[in-house]
Amino acid sequence: EAGVVQSPRYKIIEKKQPVAFWCNPISGHNTLYWYRQNLGQGPELLIRYENEEAVDDSQLPKDRFSAERLKGVDSTLKIQPAELGDSAVYLCASSPPGGRWSYNEQFFGPGTRLTVL
Amino acid sequence: AQSVTQPDIHITVSEGASLELRCNYSYGATPYLFWYVQSPGQGLQLLLKYFSGDTLVQGIKGFEAEFKRSQSSFNLRKPSVHWSDAAEYFCAVGESTDKLIFGTGTRLQVFP
Repeated sequence: EAGVVQSPRYKIIEKKQPVAFWCNPISGHNTLYWYRQNLGQGPELLIRYENEEAVDDSQLPKDRFSAERLKGVDSTLKIQPAELGDSAVYLCASSPPGGRWSYNEQFFGPGTRLTVL
Repeated sequence: AQSVTQPDIHITVSEGASLELRCNYSYGATPYLFWYVQSPGQGLQLLLKYFSGDTLVQGIKGFEAEFKRSQSSFNLRKPSVHWSDAAEYFCAVGESTDKLIFGTGTRLQVFP
């Protein structure tokens, strides 16, 4: 079974440029997460999707970040314009459907390492 | 607000030695608790989790963790470390299974 796929794996851009990251979750997983992991830190949730609906985007900096999950499958996270402080690893994770009180393990992709110069 | 503290940034052990990675959390009720491992260039992999019941939980790769409510701790242990265990380890706490707060991680280095 294929895992969570992310591309690109690495991206180097100059500040003020736009950048986009793509994530394809595990087949059948309806929940998709985007995390940001700064150097030396743990991941921090940016946005969570249930199918195509963003159910938690409280930590997404909406002035420059946007995300979409059309058709409830793959997802794109965009930054426009990028700032120096956006340099980080952007992780995508997915989890399968389940009951409200059951645990649905999050499966993580390898991430995209963004460097903003 | 929930928080997770991993007091050890970097730990070095010899192969075959025992290991304990510390994790302390702050949360009003009994939280969901997790340990993840991240190898270089890889995503996070779940080692084990605690929701309720037996406070000693077994995970993959020979790891175990013990939930101690009185100490607000969830330390990860392994009796004999292998060189392949070298990685970054993250403790996480969640008020639900969907919303996790991660610690800053502990980097484990294993010497032969």
